[in-house]
Amino acid sequence: DTAVSQTPKYLVTQMGNDKSIKCEQNLGHDTMYWYKQDSKKFLKIMFSYNNKELIINETVPNRFSPKSPDKAHLNLHINSLELGDSAVYFCASSRRGEARAQYFGPGTRLTVL
Amino acid sequence: EDQVTQSPEALRLQEGESSSLNCSYTVSGLRGLFWYRQDPGKGPEFLFTLYSAGEEKEKERLKATLTKKESFLHITAPKPEDSATYLCAVQLRGGSQGNLIFGKGTKLSVKP
Repeated sequence: DTAVSQTPKYLVTQMGNDKSIKCEQNLGHDTMYWYKQDSKKFLKIMFSYNNKELIINETVPNRFSPKSPDKAHLNLHINSLELGDSAVYFCASSRRGEARAQYFGPGTRLTVL
Repeated sequence: EDQVTQSPEALRLQEGESSSLNCSYTVSGLRGLFWYRQDPGKGPEFLFTLYSAGEEKEKERLKATLTKKESFLHITAPKPEDSATYLCAVQLRGGSQGNLIFGKGTKLSVKP
């Protein structure tokens, strides 16, 4: 009965490849997020998305694109991977509304060689 | 610029030695302040939400408080299982879709 799940947990790939990370939540939430945690453990928002609106952090390269097949899923596609993309990526979800707690998945550790 | 600063970066306590973690924030307008716990190799785990100055929340050995400039996470008589990184985050008024701005965390180690 996992609340927010991500696959894969580990992803090792070569520079220039295209990869995807999947995220699913069974909490009935209507807003989902992607965060990046760098090597210094700093957690930073990349995207937030509900069925009406996608908000992109302006610092995120356009090689990154979220895709949502339905309300329970928000996948992250990354094109032309670079060394600097190596990090841990977390998916999260929340109910829409003021100051709603976000619930995080277990993370995907991406290593680009 | 909206900013969240946590101190100290790391804190070592003996079991039973109470202490406090600090989260100071400079934001244009606060909608809510959140505390999370993160264990190595895992995602952040939600602990508390605080909405307005003067508010307090408690859970077991943890108590979070909020003023207009900062929040404290008080840990009373900690146990080794309280060892983790504690993250503070703020959500801004008018912020897009509830995006959180995180501090860099305080890594807490509790020795038996």
